[in-house]
This record gives sequence, structure tokens and C-alpha cells, in this order.
Amino acid sequence: GDSVTQMEGPVTLSEEAFLTINCTYTATGYPSLFWYVQYPGEGLQLLLKATKADDKGSNKGFEATYRKETTSFHLEKGSVQVSDSAVYFCALGANYGGSQGNLIFGKGTKLSVKP
Amino acid sequence: DAGVTQSPTHLIKTRGQQVTLRCSPISGHKSVSWYQQVLGQGPQFIFQYYEKEERGRGNFPDRFSARQFPNYSSELNVNALLLGDSALYLCASSWPSGQVYEQYFGPGTRLTVT
Repeated sequence: GDSVTQMEGPVTLSEEAFLTINCTYTATGYPSLFWYVQYPGEGLQLLLKATKADDKGSNKGFEATYRKETTSFHLEKGSVQVSDSAVYFCALGANYGGSQGNLIFGKGTKLSVKP
Repeated sequence: DAGVTQSPTHLIKTRGQQVTLRCSPISGHKSVSWYQQVLGQGPQFIFQYYEKEERGRGNFPDRFSARQFPNYSSELNVNALLLGDSALYLCASSWPSGQVYEQYFGPGTRLTVT
């Protein structure tokens, strides 16, 4: 079945460091890919998305490119801030059959940014 | 516009009891999905409803049920609660846009079963 694998955390960085969180997926067909962020005590917020191969999603300085050849959707940010400390989830949205509309999530990667 | 709202925020129940969680979607959204997030894990899909009909169901026992009302709000019911049902229950609403279903999540209901 469809699945998402993302790098284990926690990840601890200093402010202004470069961030990469790896995400790979297994899916039938051509899913949409998402990154969600969860701040402490809150629900999930959509960070960015990509709907087809080679699409680049971007928001708030974060970027991720849908790579069909490597089945990956790695999250990157050039310079992290303390306010970026949160848990980041990679997710896959099936666009086919009876699975339309539900998301399959990775286990999450906790990011802590130190001043 | 208001986002997805869920009630209650927190809930403590005893094993064997029943619980009802409520969700109101973003205005104009006709689809509601429910997810269970156990501490330290990613959310797991439970149900999706669209236009008051069940469109998808995850791998959860029959103790879990849901419904959607004419105003598109939704309830999730869990019967015969087990300790393992302790989790954050998230509701998400979406407006289908072609083949892309962007889901917007509420703050969740934290259920503790003792």
C-alpha cells in the first residue's frame, strides 16, 4: 500500500542554519505531496504542496520539489529561525480510486532551533 | 473566515464508555475527514465524508463511527473505549479542487481514556 517515510528526529539546529528533512514515498499512480507543520499544542497547518512531478512547493522560505524518479519530496530552508521549531509531517494524498481525499502521513520530524 | 472548529478541546473518559467528538468545517467546505494522532506518531486516517456520505474508511474497528449533517458538520463516535484510544483526534475539511484535496485541520480534541 501507499506509504511515507521521513527522517527520524529530533533535529537540533542553530539559528540561520540550513535545514533538510528527507521524505520518500511509495504510491500507486501519481499522488499529491504535502508538508504540514504542527506547533506545540496545536493542530496541523499546511505548509506547502506539489501536485505533479517536478513541481516545487514553497512557503515562508521553505521549499520542496516533487521528484518522481527518486520518489522524494525533501523539505529545505536556507536559514531557520527559532520560530520554526515544530514537528514537520510529510504526507501523500492519493488522487485515484476510493482513496481520494485521505492523507497518508509520515511519523513526523521534530525540529528544535536554538538561538 | 473561521477555520475548522472542534469540540470539546479536552476529554477524559473511562474504559468502556462512549464518546462523541464534534467538528465544524470551514464555510463552503463539503468534505470532512477524521484522523487519530497517537503521541509521537503521524495522524492516521479514520473516515472521510463528502456531501453526507462516507467516502473512505481507514483501518479502524467498528467501535468507531461517524456521520455528517446537512450543514456539513460532523460527529465522530467511539464506543467501548480502550486505553489505546487515548489520542489527539483531528478533523480536517476540504474543498475539492480538481484532483487536489487540500485539507485544513482543526486544533483537535485530546481524548484521555483511564
